[in-house]
Amino acid sequence: GAGVSQSPSNKVTEKGKDVELRCDPISGHTALYWYRQSLGQGLEFLIYFQGNSAPDKSGLPSDRFSAERTGGSVSTLTIQRTQQEDSAVYLCASSNNRGMLAFFGQGTRLTVV
Amino acid sequence: GQQLNQSPQSMFIQEGEDVSMNCTSSSIFNTWLWYKQDPGEGPVLLIALYKAGELTSNGRLTAQFGITRKDSFLNISASIPSDVGIYFCAGQRGSQGNLIFGKGTKLSVKP
Repeated sequence: GAGVSQSPSNKVTEKGKDVELRCDPISGHTALYWYRQSLGQGLEFLIYFQGNSAPDKSGLPSDRFSAERTGGSVSTLTIQRTQQEDSAVYLCASSNNRGMLAFFGQGTRLTVV
Repeated sequence: GQQLNQSPQSMFIQEGEDVSMNCTSSSIFNTWLWYKQDPGEGPVLLIALYKAGELTSNGRLTAQFGITRKDSFLNISASIPSDVGIYFCAGQRGSQGNLIFGKGTKLSVKP
Protein backbone atom coordinates (compact mmCIF):
# COMPACT_ATOMS: atom_id res chain seq x y z
CA GLY A 1 0.00 0.00 0.00
CA ALA A 2 0.92 3.66 -0.13
CA GLY A 3 1.60 3.91 3.59
CA VAL A 4 1.71 1.80 6.74
CA SER A 5 -1.82 0.85 7.69
CA GLN A 6 -2.87 -0.24 11.17
CA SER A 7 -6.17 -1.64 12.36
CA PRO A 8 -8.21 -1.12 14.33
CA SER A 9 -7.51 2.55 14.97
CA ASN A 10 -9.14 2.30 18.38
CA LYS A 11 -9.84 -0.71 20.58
CA VAL A 12 -11.54 -0.84 23.94
CA THR A 13 -11.40 -4.18 25.67
CA GLU A 14 -12.18 -5.64 29.05
CA LYS A 15 -9.39 -6.65 31.36
CA GLY A 16 -8.51 -10.30 30.84
CA LYS A 17 -9.56 -10.46 27.18
CA ASP A 18 -7.15 -11.13 24.31
CA VAL A 19 -6.62 -8.56 21.56
CA GLU A 20 -5.04 -8.67 18.11
CA LEU A 21 -3.56 -5.60 16.44
CA ARG A 22 -2.77 -5.62 12.75
CA CYS A 23 -0.11 -3.86 10.70
CA ASP A 24 0.10 -3.69 6.91
CA PRO A 25 3.56 -2.34 6.02
CA ILE A 26 4.52 -0.49 2.88
CA SER A 27 4.72 -2.89 -0.02
CA GLY A 28 8.25 -4.22 -0.48
CA HIS A 29 9.52 -3.15 2.93
CA THR A 30 11.32 -6.06 4.53
CA ALA A 31 11.73 -4.67 8.03
CA LEU A 32 8.79 -4.15 10.36
CA TYR A 33 8.79 -2.73 13.88
CA TRP A 34 6.29 -2.54 16.71
CA TYR A 35 6.47 0.21 19.33
CA ARG A 36 4.28 1.16 22.27
CA GLN A 37 3.65 4.76 23.32
CA SER A 38 2.14 5.44 26.71
CA LEU A 39 0.68 8.85 27.53
CA GLY A 40 3.42 11.45 27.81
CA GLN A 41 6.15 8.95 27.04
CA GLY A 42 8.45 8.29 24.13
CA LEU A 43 8.25 5.21 21.97
CA GLU A 44 9.08 1.92 23.64
CA PHE A 45 10.50 -0.72 21.32
CA LEU A 46 8.65 -4.05 21.36
CA ILE A 47 9.80 -6.26 18.47
CA TYR A 48 11.53 -6.11 15.09
CA PHE A 49 10.97 -8.36 12.06
CA GLN A 50 13.28 -8.85 9.12
CA GLY A 51 11.15 -10.77 6.64
CA ASN A 52 9.16 -13.30 8.65
CA SER A 53 11.73 -13.79 11.37
CA ALA A 54 12.13 -11.71 14.52
CA PRO A 55 15.83 -11.21 15.31
CA ASP A 56 15.01 -8.88 18.18
CA LYS A 57 12.13 -9.57 20.56
CA SER A 58 13.86 -7.97 23.50
CA GLY A 59 11.23 -5.29 24.03
CA LEU A 60 8.22 -7.53 24.58
CA PRO A 61 7.22 -6.69 28.17
CA SER A 62 5.89 -10.12 29.15
CA ASP A 63 4.97 -13.53 27.77
CA ARG A 64 1.43 -12.24 27.28
CA PHE A 65 2.76 -10.35 24.27
CA SER A 66 3.55 -12.10 20.99
CA ALA A 67 3.82 -11.13 17.35
CA GLU A 68 4.03 -12.85 14.05
CA ARG A 69 4.56 -11.89 10.46
CA THR A 70 3.50 -13.93 7.48
CA GLY A 71 4.48 -13.72 3.83
CA GLY A 72 6.98 -11.01 4.68
CA SER A 73 4.10 -8.58 4.85
CA VAL A 74 1.26 -8.31 7.37
CA SER A 75 2.10 -8.52 11.06
CA THR A 76 -0.15 -9.21 14.02
CA LEU A 77 0.63 -8.20 17.60
CA THR A 78 -1.34 -10.27 20.12
CA ILE A 79 -1.81 -9.38 23.77
CA GLN A 80 -3.30 -12.13 25.90
CA ARG A 81 -5.17 -11.57 29.16
CA THR A 82 -4.95 -7.80 28.81
CA GLN A 83 -4.21 -5.66 31.86
CA GLN A 84 -4.94 -1.99 32.44
CA GLU A 85 -1.25 -1.14 32.15
CA ASP A 86 -1.36 -2.42 28.55
CA SER A 87 -3.39 0.67 27.63
CA ALA A 88 -1.32 2.67 25.16
CA VAL A 89 -0.95 3.54 21.50
CA TYR A 90 0.68 0.70 19.59
CA LEU A 91 2.65 1.95 16.58
CA CYS A 92 3.96 -0.06 13.67
CA ALA A 93 6.65 1.09 11.26
CA SER A 94 8.34 -0.37 8.20
CA SER A 95 11.58 0.31 6.39
CA ASN A 96 13.41 -0.78 3.29
CA ASN A 97 16.61 -2.79 3.10
CA ARG A 98 18.74 0.20 3.92
CA GLY A 99 17.25 0.06 7.37
CA MET A 100 16.28 3.69 7.67
CA LEU A 101 13.19 3.72 9.82
CA ALA A 102 11.06 6.26 8.03
CA PHE A 103 7.40 5.32 7.92
CA PHE A 104 5.03 4.89 10.83
CA GLY A 105 1.36 3.96 10.79
CA GLN A 106 -1.18 6.04 12.68
CA GLY A 107 -1.26 3.57 15.53
CA THR A 108 -3.89 1.60 17.41
CA ARG A 109 -5.11 3.19 20.62
CA LEU A 110 -5.78 0.36 23.06
CA THR A 111 -7.82 1.01 26.18
CA VAL A 112 -8.24 -1.78 28.73
CA VAL A 113 -11.12 -1.19 31.12
CA GLY B 1 13.41 0.03 28.17
CA GLN B 2 16.38 2.24 27.54
CA GLN B 3 15.61 5.79 26.42
CA LEU B 4 17.58 8.79 25.39
CA ASN B 5 17.70 11.95 27.51
CA GLN B 6 15.81 14.58 25.53
CA SER B 7 15.44 18.20 26.64
CA PRO B 8 13.61 20.37 27.17
CA GLN B 9 10.43 18.43 27.91
CA SER B 10 8.30 21.32 26.70
CA MET B 11 8.69 24.77 25.19
CA PHE B 12 6.31 27.71 24.86
CA ILE B 13 7.56 30.21 22.31
CA GLN B 14 6.37 33.17 20.29
CA GLU B 15 5.88 32.80 16.55
CA GLY B 16 9.06 33.84 14.75
CA GLU B 17 11.41 32.72 17.50
CA ASP B 18 14.09 30.10 17.00
CA VAL B 19 13.94 26.78 18.87
CA SER B 20 16.63 24.40 19.98
CA MET B 21 16.29 20.94 21.51
CA ASN B 22 18.79 18.15 22.12
CA CYS B 23 19.30 14.52 22.98
CA THR B 24 22.11 12.86 24.86
CA SER B 25 23.03 9.28 25.55
CA SER B 26 25.64 7.35 27.48
CA SER B 27 25.99 5.04 24.47
CA ILE B 28 27.32 5.62 20.98
CA PHE B 29 24.87 5.60 18.07
CA ASN B 30 25.58 5.23 14.35
CA THR B 31 22.38 6.96 13.27
CA TRP B 32 20.37 9.81 14.77
CA LEU B 33 16.87 10.57 13.58
CA TRP B 34 14.47 13.38 14.42
CA TYR B 35 10.70 12.88 14.18
CA LYS B 36 7.65 15.10 14.65
CA GLN B 37 4.36 13.73 15.92
CA ASP B 38 1.02 15.51 15.58
CA PRO B 39 -1.93 14.50 17.81
CA GLY B 40 -3.49 11.23 16.72
CA GLU B 41 -0.82 10.57 14.11
CA GLY B 42 2.27 8.43 13.89
CA PRO B 43 5.71 10.10 13.99
CA VAL B 44 6.95 11.59 10.72
CA LEU B 45 10.66 11.59 9.91
CA LEU B 46 12.17 15.08 9.66
CA ILE B 47 15.93 14.57 9.41
CA ALA B 48 18.28 11.57 9.41
CA LEU B 49 21.96 11.83 10.37
CA TYR B 50 24.47 9.07 9.60
CA LYS B 51 27.92 10.50 10.28
CA ALA B 52 29.55 12.04 13.35
CA GLY B 53 29.79 15.79 12.97
CA GLU B 54 27.23 15.83 10.17
CA LEU B 55 25.08 18.96 9.94
CA THR B 56 21.92 18.59 7.87
CA SER B 57 19.16 21.03 7.01
CA ASN B 58 15.60 20.52 5.87
CA GLY B 59 13.99 23.89 5.24
CA ARG B 60 13.89 25.76 8.54
CA LEU B 61 15.14 22.70 10.40
CA THR B 62 18.79 21.99 11.10
CA ALA B 63 20.14 18.98 12.96
CA GLN B 64 23.63 17.89 13.93
CA PHE B 65 25.14 14.52 14.80
CA GLY B 66 27.47 15.13 17.74
CA ILE B 67 31.17 14.44 17.21
CA THR B 68 31.21 12.01 20.15
CA ARG B 69 28.25 10.16 18.58
CA LYS B 70 26.45 10.42 21.91
CA ASP B 71 24.33 13.47 21.22
CA SER B 72 22.35 15.38 18.62
CA PHE B 73 20.49 18.66 18.45
CA LEU B 74 17.62 20.00 16.36
CA ASN B 75 17.10 23.69 15.63
CA ILE B 76 13.97 25.24 14.15
CA SER B 77 14.35 28.77 12.85
CA ALA B 78 11.59 31.38 12.60
CA SER B 79 8.92 29.15 14.13
CA ILE B 80 5.37 29.17 12.77
CA PRO B 81 2.12 27.87 14.31
CA SER B 82 2.23 24.60 12.33
CA ASP B 83 5.50 23.71 14.05
CA VAL B 84 3.39 22.80 17.09
CA GLY B 85 3.73 19.14 18.03
CA ILE B 86 5.99 16.70 19.83
CA TYR B 87 9.51 16.24 18.53
CA PHE B 88 11.34 12.99 19.19
CA CYS B 89 14.96 12.09 18.77
CA ALA B 90 15.88 8.48 18.06
CA GLY B 91 19.17 6.65 17.93
CA GLN B 92 20.10 3.46 16.13
CA ARG B 93 23.26 1.48 16.80
CA GLY B 94 23.56 -0.65 13.69
CA SER B 95 22.37 -0.22 10.12
CA GLN B 96 19.20 -2.05 11.10
CA GLY B 97 17.52 -2.93 14.32
CA ASN B 98 15.47 -1.09 16.84
CA LEU B 99 15.49 2.65 17.28
CA ILE B 100 15.71 3.97 20.82
CA PHE B 101 13.54 7.04 21.34
CA GLY B 102 13.73 10.05 23.61
CA LYS B 103 10.64 11.08 25.61
CA GLY B 104 9.93 13.99 23.31
CA THR B 105 9.88 17.78 23.39
CA LYS B 106 6.41 19.30 23.25
CA LEU B 107 6.48 22.56 21.31
CA SER B 108 3.78 25.20 21.61
CA VAL B 109 3.87 28.30 19.42
CA LYS B 110 1.92 31.46 20.25
CA PRO B 111 0.86 33.42 17.18
